[in-house]
Amino acid sequence: EAGVAQSPRYKIIEKRQSVAFWCNPISGHATLYWYQQILGQGPKLLIQFQNNGVVDDSQLPKDRFSAERLKGVDSTLKIQPAKLEDSAVYLCASSIGTGELFFGEGSRLTVL
Amino acid sequence: GENVEQHPSTLSVQEGDSAVIKCTYSDSASNYFPWYKQELGKRPQLIIDIRSNVGEKKDQRIAVTLNKTAKHFSLHITETQPEDSAVYFCAASKATGNQFYFGTGTSLTVIP
Repeated sequence: EAGVAQSPRYKIIEKRQSVAFWCNPISGHATLYWYQQILGQGPKLLIQFQNNGVVDDSQLPKDRFSAERLKGVDSTLKIQPAKLEDSAVYLCASSIGTGELFFGEGSRLTVL
Repeated sequence: GENVEQHPSTLSVQEGDSAVIKCTYSDSASNYFPWYKQELGKRPQLIIDIRSNVGEKKDQRIAVTLNKTAKHFSLHITETQPEDSAVYFCAASKATGNQFYFGTGTSLTVIP
């Protein structure tokens, strides 16, 4: 079974630039999550989708972060403009809805 | 929302000894408690989980215990091996909404 796919794996940008990350969840998984993992910390939920609807985006900095999940499958997370403190690994995860989260390899963002 | 605290943040043990990591949660409605292992530069992977209708669960050298009254759960690794060295995260989730909240992680080092 294919896992959660993410791209790009690494991205370096300067502050105030924009960046987008893409995630393809496991086939059939209705729930998709974006987490931010800052070095040395646990994953912090940014946004959760159920199919193409948003379940929770309470911790998403909406002035600079946006996410969408068109057609209830793939998702993109965008940051514009980026700040130094956005340097982190952005983890996408999916779930069938009743238990285990399956994580992607993550997209490591460095903001200079 | 849910608040998950995890201790200790770092743990070093001699090979063959046991390791214990503890987590507390705040929301009594949480009913699913997974533990994830994250090796350096890799994705978090589920190693064991427990639901609120069970007090203890074992899988070979790994066990998890849950005390619903005190709102805490623990990961126990016996006969530790160097390949157990990694960062371990606990999480708490509710069936309603299927949101996952992670602890801050424990970096375990097993000394050969």
